[in-house]
Amino acid sequence: DQQVKQNSPSLSVQEGRISILNCDYTNSMFDYFLWYKKYPAEGPTFLISISSIKDKNEDGRFTVFLNKSAKHLSLHIVPSQPGDSAVYFCAAKAPGSGGSEKLVFGKGTKLTVNP
Amino acid sequence: GAGVSQSPRYKVTKRGQDVALRCDPISGHVSLYWYRQALGQGPEFLTYFNYEAQQDKSGLPNDRFSAERPEGSISTLTIQRTEQRDSAMYRCASSFSPTNEKLFFGSGTQLSVL
Repeated sequence: DQQVKQNSPSLSVQEGRISILNCDYTNSMFDYFLWYKKYPAEGPTFLISISSIKDKNEDGRFTVFLNKSAKHLSLHIVPSQPGDSAVYFCAAKAPGSGGSEKLVFGKGTKLTVNP
Repeated sequence: GAGVSQSPRYKVTKRGQDVALRCDPISGHVSLYWYRQALGQGPEFLTYFNYEAQQDKSGLPNDRFSAERPEGSISTLTIQRTEQRDSAMYRCASSFSPTNEKLFFGSGTQLSVL
C-alpha cells in the first residue's frame, strides 16, 4: 500500500507561470515532509521540507504547504523556469525500528516547464 | 568526498551470480541508507546504518540481500544468487546525523540481471 501518493505522473506548465505539485499521505504518524528533485542520470537532491507543526515553508521560488487534516501537501514553484524541469518526489519521515529515520517516497511527478 | 559515490555505475550480471554494490558516503556523515528504485517508482527503503551499526533492515526483500558498513564509512550491499526481479536502480544516501532528515543521494548503481 502506498503511504505517500503523487497521483499526477506528469505536469506541463509555461515558463513564468506557477507549478503546483501535489502529494497525499495516509500515515498520520508522519511528522516531517520533504520534496526532492531529480534530474536524469542523477540522484535525487533535497529541495525543501516542512515539519508537521507548520503549515507553510518558503524558500525563494519554492513554497510547500501542508494541510494535516486533509493529509495533503503541495509544492508551489513561482515563477517556473525551464531549469525546473525534473522529476519531483514527495517524501515523508516515518518512525522506524531502532530509532531509524527512514523516508517513504511517492512515485514522483515529472514537471516540464516550456520556454 | 564532495558527494555520495557509488560503484559500479552499471552492473550486468547473469541470474544466480552474486553482486556487491559499493557506497562511499559524504565524509563525516553518520547515517547511511540503501534504497532501491524501480522504473517509474520512488526510492524504496532497504536498510539503514548509524556509524557501523545496522539500525534497520526491515526493507531488505529476503535473506539474499545483506549490507555491511564495517568501519562506519564505506558500505557494501550484497545480493546473492541474483534473480531477474532484482533488476533496479540501487541508491545509497547519507545524512550528517540520525536526526537529520535531509538525505544526500548518490547517482546509483543500475543493476540488470539477465
